[in-house]
Amino acid sequence: AQKITQTQPGMFVQEKEAVTLDCTYDTSDPSYGLFWYKQPSSGEMIFLIYQGSYDQQNATEGRYSLNFQKARKSANLVISASQLGDSAMYFCAMREGPPPARGGYNKLIFGAGTRLAVHP
Amino acid sequence: GAGVSQSPRYKVAKRGQDVALRCDPISGHVSLFWYQQALGQGPEFLTYFQNEAQLDKSGLPSDRFFAERPEGSVSTLKIQRTQQEDSAVYLCASSKGADLYNEQFFGPGTRLTVL
Repeated sequence: AQKITQTQPGMFVQEKEAVTLDCTYDTSDPSYGLFWYKQPSSGEMIFLIYQGSYDQQNATEGRYSLNFQKARKSANLVISASQLGDSAMYFCAMREGPPPARGGYNKLIFGAGTRLAVHP
Repeated sequence: GAGVSQSPRYKVAKRGQDVALRCDPISGHVSLFWYQQALGQGPEFLTYFQNEAQLDKSGLPSDRFFAERPEGSVSTLKIQRTQQEDSAVYLCASSKGADLYNEQFFGPGTRLTVL
């Protein structure tokens, strides 16, 4: 079974609109972390946002927010006020086990990604 | 530079050749990871170092793949007797280690093409 599922191969959004990129995950470990990365055409993976399984509140980082629904095992990324520079591949990833601060390490399992195109 | 660097950025090898890919992590970063990203796919974990110790190599696809980090800084991923299925982008990432924020910084990758 897939550990990370991103069901949207491609998404389009108008500049300045909000967009939601879907991610569902599968784990039986009570301690895990969820990450979103952006990969522009240059190839470098850029960290966007992190949500720990025990975090009570949804993570937010500037225009990025993570809609964490633990019971549904979903961790959707919401990008508000899209910009042309947001056009890229977006990957959802998961770490199973405790975070580095508690003896674990960030061995990441990635989804297949969603290609986002922002139109002017 | 302040980021993770990798060299070479592009490598073309004939089937059967050995290749060595280098990663220079951010100075002082304890943790170092290698990932393999096939075309159109997400990255897949290969191996993990904490300082010079290789603590997890469960993702290495065969015994042709070997990684080292002898002094706990620069790391080299070596692929022996390359095969066409080894063609991919190889990403290196580093992090501070036991930091709470968990950010993993990636390098630009080495694109390996095996002919």
